[in-house]
Amino acid sequence: KAGVTQTPRYLIKTRGQQVTLSCSPISGHRSVSWYQQTPGQGLQFLFEYFSETQRNKGNFPGRFSGRQFSNSRSEMNVSTLELGDSALYLCASSGGTGHEQFFGPGTRLTVL
Amino acid sequence: AQSVTQLDSQVPVFEEAPVELRCNYSSSVSVYLFWYVQYPNQGLQLLLKYLSGSTLVKSINGFEAEFNKSQTSFHLRKPSVHISDTAEYFCAVTVYSSASKIIFGSGTRLSIRP
Repeated sequence: KAGVTQTPRYLIKTRGQQVTLSCSPISGHRSVSWYQQTPGQGLQFLFEYFSETQRNKGNFPGRFSGRQFSNSRSEMNVSTLELGDSALYLCASSGGTGHEQFFGPGTRLTVL
Repeated sequence: AQSVTQLDSQVPVFEEAPVELRCNYSSSVSVYLFWYVQYPNQGLQLLLKYLSGSTLVKSINGFEAEFNKSQTSFHLRKPSVHISDTAEYFCAVTVYSSASKIIFGSGTRLSIRP
């Protein structure tokens, strides 16, 4: 099975712009979670989607949003980018038993 | 609410020496426990997990961790490390009722010296 894929791998934006990141889960996985990783804050949970519905949400402002499509692919959107949004954004999918999540390689977002 | 504490942000060891990465968690309900590893410029990979049953769990590359409920710990150990073990290690917890939301520790950077 192919692993979790994320596109793009690298992105450079300027303050005030918006950005959309994409994640394709492992085939058959219906849950997709998003995390933000920064040197200062570590790994923080953003939100989780299951069957096109947001099932869990972390403590991030409304500028961070997401959605999931019927094929389980997910997108994350950040509007009005701030310098502090520079981070590695990781997507993870899960399904079946085991409860572990399988992570993609991440999208490194740099906000200038 | 759940939380995870990794007491050591960095652990330098010599090659072939033993290592222990410490992890303590806090939760009022039963949890699942994980160790993930992140190699440079890569995503996270599951190293091992504790869901139930035997409190000692092992990975295929020689790491092991023991779930200690009374001490709320899940320390990671390896009797002899290799240069290729250089990475950042994250302890994580999730609760039975919301298994898709993982709370991560702050990570421990393991650096191996030849």
